[in-house]
Amino acid sequence: QVQLVESGGGVVQPGRSLRLSCATSGFSFDNYGMHWVRQAPGKGLEWLAVISPDGGNKYHTGSVRGRFTISRDNSKNTLYLEMNSLSAEDTAVYYCAKAGPGDYGYLDYWGQGTLVTVSS
Amino acid sequence: DIQMTQSPSSLSASVGDRVTITCRASQTINNYLNWYQQKPREAPELLIYIAFNLQSGVPSRFSGSGSGTHFNLTISSLQPEDFATYFCQQTYTTPWTFGQGTKVEIK
Repeated sequence: QVQLVESGGGVVQPGRSLRLSCATSGFSFDNYGMHWVRQAPGKGLEWLAVISPDGGNKYHTGSVRGRFTISRDNSKNTLYLEMNSLSAEDTAVYYCAKAGPGDYGYLDYWGQGTLVTVSS
Repeated sequence: DIQMTQSPSSLSASVGDRVTITCRASQTINNYLNWYQQKPREAPELLIYIAFNLQSGVPSRFSGSGSGTHFNLTISSLQPEDFATYFCQQTYTTPWTFGQGTKVEIK
């Protein structure tokens, strides 16, 4: 079955960096776009970024553009999110999600999330 | 960016009730509208994609409708396991954006 497992979260000081990973299994990773979505404590969902199946195309939402970078390693079936210049506003649970079939953008499988807390 | 507005923000309902949640987009998104359910301390799960397509494994009491800028999620007969928060999402144009969520609580 499809599985997505995030890791790399934790407590980090403002201004520092962190890299999240999303290990996947149960599907042909290199056939699907992948996404990152976050949820601040008690808040709604914020879509962050998408990467194409071959990694050649990426898009980041404005609030993280220039600070966060999505990437993937198809040989390891793993998705990444490199986060720089972190601030308190980046405190959230970060989810990776698999794109559904076709070019419709919906997210058909999600990981359980990893919590990032930005605090001094 | 396309703004997605859900209504109501919360509602109280009883088991067996018919419940409808509305999602409006700030501009037309054709049918590129998806619905997710999130239970406390869990990841969201896909319910409906491209406005009215039921995700595999989702009970048939869930249905989606609408087009253009106005969409609905309907639960025909609310069950105890349906008490959760529901989010709509447009995937017509980047950045994808979510509604603020509708919390369905027990009356």
